Formats: sequence, C-alpha cells, structure tokens
Amino acid sequence: NAGVMQNPRHLVRRRGQEARLRCSPMKGHSHVYWYRQLPEEGLKFMVYLQKENIIDESGMPKERFSAEFPKEGPSILRIQQVVRGDSAAYFCASSPLLEGHNEQFFGPGTRLTVL
Amino acid sequence: GESVGLHLPTLSVQEGDNSIINCAYSNSASDYFIWYKQESGKGPQFIIDIRSNMDKRQGQRVTVLLNKTVKHLSLQIAATQPGDSAVYFCAERGSRSGGSNYKLTFGKGTLLTVNP
Repeated sequence: NAGVMQNPRHLVRRRGQEARLRCSPMKGHSHVYWYRQLPEEGLKFMVYLQKENIIDESGMPKERFSAEFPKEGPSILRIQQVVRGDSAAYFCASSPLLEGHNEQFFGPGTRLTVL
Repeated sequence: GESVGLHLPTLSVQEGDNSIINCAYSNSASDYFIWYKQESGKGPQFIIDIRSNMDKRQGQRVTVLLNKTVKHLSLQIAATQPGDSAVYFCAERGSRSGGSNYKLTFGKGTLLTVNP
C-alpha cells in the first residue's frame, strides 16, 4: 500500500515562473491537505480539499496560489509568478475520513527553490 | 493568536538515556494532540496521539503526557537510540464544535540528537 506520493521532490524555478506541485493521496483517502514549511519552522496549514471541492483555503495566500483536487488524478498546488519568499518545503497529507480523530499521513514533500 | 510552541529548540542525549521533549499550547479548545517525527529530507511521521480527555498514553518506547491545567504536552522516549535523532513536532487540532477539526497547528520543533 503506497503512501502519499509527491512530485517532484525538488523543484527549481526562476522568479516569475510557475510552480506546479503534485500530490497523490493514499489509496482510499479522499481528503487532502497542503502545508508549507519554512526552514527551521513547523508546518503551516494552507488548504484542505476533498474531491472537486475546496473546503478551507484560509491558510493560502490570496494572490498567485491555487489548489485543486480533481475527480481523477492528483491534487495540484499551483504557484504563479513565484518569488524568492515562496522557497520552502511543501507537504501534502491525506486522510480517509473527517469523522473522528483520523491521522493525517504526510508525503515526502516538494522542496521549492526560487532563484 | 492561537499557537503551539516548544520550550527547548535542541536536545542532546546519550544513547540509552530517556528523552523528554516539551510543548506548550495556547488553544484551550483543542481536543486532540499529535507528536510527529521528521527526519532530514522527509515528511512528518506520526508517532503518537492523545485526546484531551486523557492525560497519558503509551506506545512502544514512547509516552505522551497531557496537562490541560497548564496547557502542556510532553513526549517521553525511553532508551533513546541513534535512529531517534530527528526533529520532533507537537501538533494540535481544533475541536469539532469549533469547525476546524482537521487543521493541524504545528509548533516549531525540537531537534533531538542522540550521541552513541
């Protein structure tokens, strides 16, 4: 049973380019969460999605950032016109159900470097 | 605002010793707490969790203690091994009645180094 998969693992972009980060949840999981981690800091919640729905995007910047979780395929976190401050590790987590205290399983992360 | 934070940023112990990592939280409405281990270059890995209606929970070599009176959480690792070296984060999740029982709030982390 494969865990949460993220790709690419490392992504380098120049300022102004677009970054697309992909996340495939664990099999049977329909809830996806994206977190951002700056160096030597804890993870910060960005967005919570279910299939074809954004449930909570309160942690995501209003400008340049968007997320989707289509009916088919992985969840995508998209950052347009990247700036150096976007450099961070982006982690995706998935869980099977919202009810109860369900563990969020994390992927290995995508490390974005903006030159 | 609400936050979860740690008392000690680094902890160095000898192999075989017991380790204690502490965490303070400020949201008294939180009803679920988790400890994660993060090794270099990897994602957080679940270690142990505890609900707010408990004050202690034990796993294999790990124990989590919750003191709601002072809003304090600790992780105890028995017989620490070199493989335990990592950054440890506590995380808190809001209550269901608060409508945010999915969003994890992480502390900054404690770097645990185990010396052989």
